[in-house]
Amino acid sequence: EAGVTQFPSHSVIEKGQTVTLRCDPISGHDNLYWYRRVMGKEIKFLLHFVKESKQDESGMPNNRFLAERTGGTYSTLKVQPAELEDSGVYFCASSQGGDRGPRYSYEQYFGPGTRLTVT
Amino acid sequence: DQQVKQNSPSLSVQEGRISILNCDYTNSMFDYFLWYKKYPAEGPTFLISISSIKDKNEDGRFTVFLNKSAKHLSLHIVPSQPGDSAVYFCAAYTGGFKTIFGAGTRLFVKA
Repeated sequence: EAGVTQFPSHSVIEKGQTVTLRCDPISGHDNLYWYRRVMGKEIKFLLHFVKESKQDESGMPNNRFLAERTGGTYSTLKVQPAELEDSGVYFCASSQGGDRGPRYSYEQYFGPGTRLTVT
Repeated sequence: DQQVKQNSPSLSVQEGRISILNCDYTNSMFDYFLWYKKYPAEGPTFLISISSIKDKNEDGRFTVFLNKSAKHLSLHIVPSQPGDSAVYFCAAYTGGFKTIFGAGTRLFVKA
């Protein structure tokens, strides 16, 4: 079974440019999450999809960030225009969810992350 | 305001000895507490969990203890092995599907 994949693994862009990160969750996982970690700090929640619907986007920093999940499969996170403080590692995670119990929600499978550097 | 705090950025332990990683939280409403392990250039992987109604959960060499009155949990690894060297994240899960992570503790296990 393929794990969560993220593309690209690294991205270096200039302030003001646009970047789009992609996440492919584990097949059949309804829940998809985006997180960000700035060096040495906590892994910060950004948002949560259930299938194609945004369940919780309370962690999105501002309206420069736009997340989509097409057809309930892969997801993209676009940053436009990028600012210096957007630098960090962006993780995507997925979990099965559903009615099978909380473990199927809290046991999340993470991708390797995309390291974004804004210069 | 950080709801999950890991106050030790790093910990060094001799192989074969016990590793104790600590975590404090502020919100009494968390349903589950989790530990994730992360190797360099990889995403975190789920390690072990504990329900808020339990005080201990054990899985092989890993045991998590929960002290609700102190709002504190700890992860014990016995015996520690060099392959355990990684960053360990404490996390708390609410029933609303939100997981709140700490900043992590880097564990070094010396051979």
